[in-house]
Amino acid sequence: NAGVTQTPKFQVLKTGQSMTLQCAQDMNHEYMSWYRQDPGMGLRLIHYSVGAGITDQGEVPNGYNVSRSTTEDFPLRLLSAAPSQTSVYFCASSYSIASVGSPLHFGNGTRLTVT
Amino acid sequence: KNEVEQSPQNLTAQEGEFITINCSYSVGISALHWLQQHPGGGIVSLFMLSSGKKKHGRLIATINIQEKHSSLHITASHPRDSAVYICAVSPGIGTASKLTFGTGTRLQVTL
Repeated sequence: NAGVTQTPKFQVLKTGQSMTLQCAQDMNHEYMSWYRQDPGMGLRLIHYSVGAGITDQGEVPNGYNVSRSTTEDFPLRLLSAAPSQTSVYFCASSYSIASVGSPLHFGNGTRLTVT
Repeated sequence: KNEVEQSPQNLTAQEGEFITINCSYSVGISALHWLQQHPGGGIVSLFMLSSGKKKHGRLIATINIQEKHSSLHITASHPRDSAVYICAVSPGIGTASKLTFGTGTRLQVTL
């Protein structure tokens, strides 16, 4: 049982390049989400999914795409990277976000730098 | 104004001290989370609660729904408790998936 696996750990991109951050969980969780963490700010929700085939926007979705073709995987795509997307990205999953018996499980984070 | 406010922002304590971190929120919620972010960056969930009080080892979390306030207490603090503690809320019915986070409380426990 690996929990939430997030790759890569570090990435440097040039402005305009594209990339995909991978997130996978092996706990059969319905809910998966992506956050970015910037200095002095709380974690901010980018996109989330409540099940395969269902995604929705969070607080800061612009410049990011997601899909959820399987329960296990929830990749985050940057189509044309910008310096403003330099951040630390976290993926998290939960069986059910509103159930008090279902805590969040986080990946180890991806530190992305866009030059 | 952020929907989730934490205090204090920074806290230094000596080993053995009793610590309280506060979280106030302005929206109706279905649940409140307390998270711990280690110096290496990893985030772990400590508590998820919607009423009353929960205890795990030296950690205690309480919530007062009427006052829209939660506290995280650490008894007999230890240097290994040094971390950033983050409060997050799941809004009410219909928007339960959209978590909102506080900016965190940085705790340093010294010998």
